[in-house]
Amino acid sequence: DAKTTQPNSMESNEEEPVHLPCNHSTISGTDYIHWYRQLPSQGPEYVIHGLTSNVNNRMASLAIAEDRKSSTLILHRATLRDAAVYYCILRAPNRDDKIIFGKGTRLHILP
Amino acid sequence: GAVVSQHPSRVICKSGTSVKIECRSLDFQATTMFWYRQFPKQSLMLMATSNEGSKATYEQGVEKDKFLINHASLTLSTLTVTSAHPEDSSFYICSATGVTGTDTQYFGPGTRLTVL
Repeated sequence: DAKTTQPNSMESNEEEPVHLPCNHSTISGTDYIHWYRQLPSQGPEYVIHGLTSNVNNRMASLAIAEDRKSSTLILHRATLRDAAVYYCILRAPNRDDKIIFGKGTRLHILP
Repeated sequence: GAVVSQHPSRVICKSGTSVKIECRSLDFQATTMFWYRQFPKQSLMLMATSNEGSKATYEQGVEKDKFLINHASLTLSTLTVTSAHPEDSSFYICSATGVTGTDTQYFGPGTRLTVL
């Protein structure tokens, strides 16, 4: 799997937007960019994924750089329940492909 | 939809006993299931990949005779930790990929194993 680089931790105030960066300079042309998050004492949950275009869903938005070497997960209005570890992962388009987790970014939300 | 359950959610056992953890896909058929373990403050570490009806593929450094994986049906995979020791205490998480063509993985809630 191509490697991703994320900050170890970030802080944000409640009800403010959060931008979580991810660098993936060795991404291949067919790799999708996936984001998962893990709340304390729970299994990871899928957040969003994209290939080239920016993506929006009910949880978040994903902004992908034009050269695809970086991306940003955007939480538009953070709540305390968004405090979690966020993982940026590159995946080949094969549904059997395993996920190798990096260290992720631990997001702290300040009330 | 796309719910994965694990049972039990928490288990405490004595050293030397074996523990079985179940992973079920509740509303879809999972052709492939994955097992991870996670130590406190660390990331998830992939242990093995299991496909229904075939032997599991273990990651380097994971003892196949200690961590027995069975994927007997499209909705159930089990992980048995044999002769558990305190160093096996960890958070075990499974995930499943369905047959819908999406490559999204759905994760279970995890099982906290404590070996005394």
